[in-house]
Amino acid sequence: DQQVKQNSPSLSVQEGRISILNCDYTNSMFDYFLWYKKYPAEGPTFLISISSIKDKNEDGRFTVFLNKSAKHLSLHIVPSQPGDSAVYFCAASAQTGANNLFFGTGTRLTVIP
Amino acid sequence: NAGVMQNPRHLVRRRGQEARLRCSPMKGHSHVYWYRQLPEEGLKFMVYLQKENIIDESGMPKERFSAEFPKEGPSILRIQQVVRGDSAAYFCASSPLLAGVTNEQFFGPGTRLTVL
Repeated sequence: DQQVKQNSPSLSVQEGRISILNCDYTNSMFDYFLWYKKYPAEGPTFLISISSIKDKNEDGRFTVFLNKSAKHLSLHIVPSQPGDSAVYFCAASAQTGANNLFFGTGTRLTVIP
Repeated sequence: NAGVMQNPRHLVRRRGQEARLRCSPMKGHSHVYWYRQLPEEGLKFMVYLQKENIIDESGMPKERFSAEFPKEGPSILRIQQVVRGDSAAYFCASSPLLAGVTNEQFFGPGTRLTVL
């Protein structure tokens, strides 16, 4: 029962262009969403998050958009850089405070120089 | 300023042996989480612990798996009588006592378990 879904296993983007990674969820109790970036043989690294009371959060080149009615969020990276090439995981949790995260299956982003 | 530490990084076991995976949370963090990532899949929650307490083990297989986070020392994930299907990357994460407005968890580098 995959409650967080990333339907695109991979994405290739030219350097300097925008990368858009998508994520859908099914549990309406989720109220906090995070994006993690993962390089091979390393643990996931936190990138950006958004609370369900917001619909947008921006941090430098990274922006996360949340559409609660559609149960959909997306991560925009602009401009994309070769160093952004990694696997990106969307994660969600059901309540604030320390609690377990539900992860998507990841999207492998390749930024072509 | 050490992050989350996990050891060993790689562990090879034969079927039927025991595997012990260790996790030292970030300094000042009292919440520990264990996740498992099977090949080509996302991370799946296994167990959430605080010092000397298991808070949520809803993701743990009912048999052969156990976890602890003692008052002193690292958190241990123990897998008894390993089978080939246990081969995976096991990640530990930690968060501070008061996570504030975020649920951010800080992940270790993982232990890659291979069962022969």
